[in-house]
Amino acid sequence: QQPVQSPQAVILREGEDAVINCSSSKALYSVHWYRQKHGEAPVFLMILLKGGEQKGHDKISASFNEKKQQSSLYLTASQLSYSGTYFCGPQMKTSYDKVIFGPGTSLSVIP
Amino acid sequence: DAGITQSPRYKITETGRQVTLMCHQTWSHSYMFWYRQDLGHGLRLIYYSAAADITDKGEVPDGYVVSRSKTENFPLTLESATRSQTSVYFCASSDWSGGADTQYFGPGTRLTVL
Repeated sequence: QQPVQSPQAVILREGEDAVINCSSSKALYSVHWYRQKHGEAPVFLMILLKGGEQKGHDKISASFNEKKQQSSLYLTASQLSYSGTYFCGPQMKTSYDKVIFGPGTSLSVIP
Repeated sequence: DAGITQSPRYKITETGRQVTLMCHQTWSHSYMFWYRQDLGHGLRLIYYSAAADITDKGEVPDGYVVSRSKTENFPLTLESATRSQTSVYFCASSDWSGGADTQYFGPGTRLTVL
């Protein structure tokens, strides 16, 4: 039931772009995205509620394709501060109060 | 201070002992959650609560007990700790209105069971 995230890990140089994908086998109501820096708690990035809707947070944006049960996180012109582990958290249509997080994608931005 | 706090931040215990991890939030959020985080597994939901006196199981509830007598507190008890329960535990809260709300995470408790 846990969603699949890809890639598992990625290393970028400052200024490069990255895409993190999240897919679920279940029909989705929404998708949450969080970032966790090493040794810290996860921090909310954004929630996507509607199919195809894109939201943005600084130079980080995301899309949600409800029909394909997929979401993608786009990091543009990456900065050192983007380093961390990114978790998607799909919320199933059958359970409005539970978010099942994916295993995470480790992203490292180097100078 | 406002926010969500967890105590203790670090705990070492022995197999078979009872351990209680505390979680306190000052926002009066209706929903509270307990997750464990292990390498390779991400964040796994243990239990959650929609309101005081309402709790429900998550993905990995075995070996854990929760209670919520007050809105602001959501303690997690390991009745008889096992080595497999060595993990980092995060508490979170949310005001949850139709799935559009953020979960706010506490700083975590690192638990080691010897």
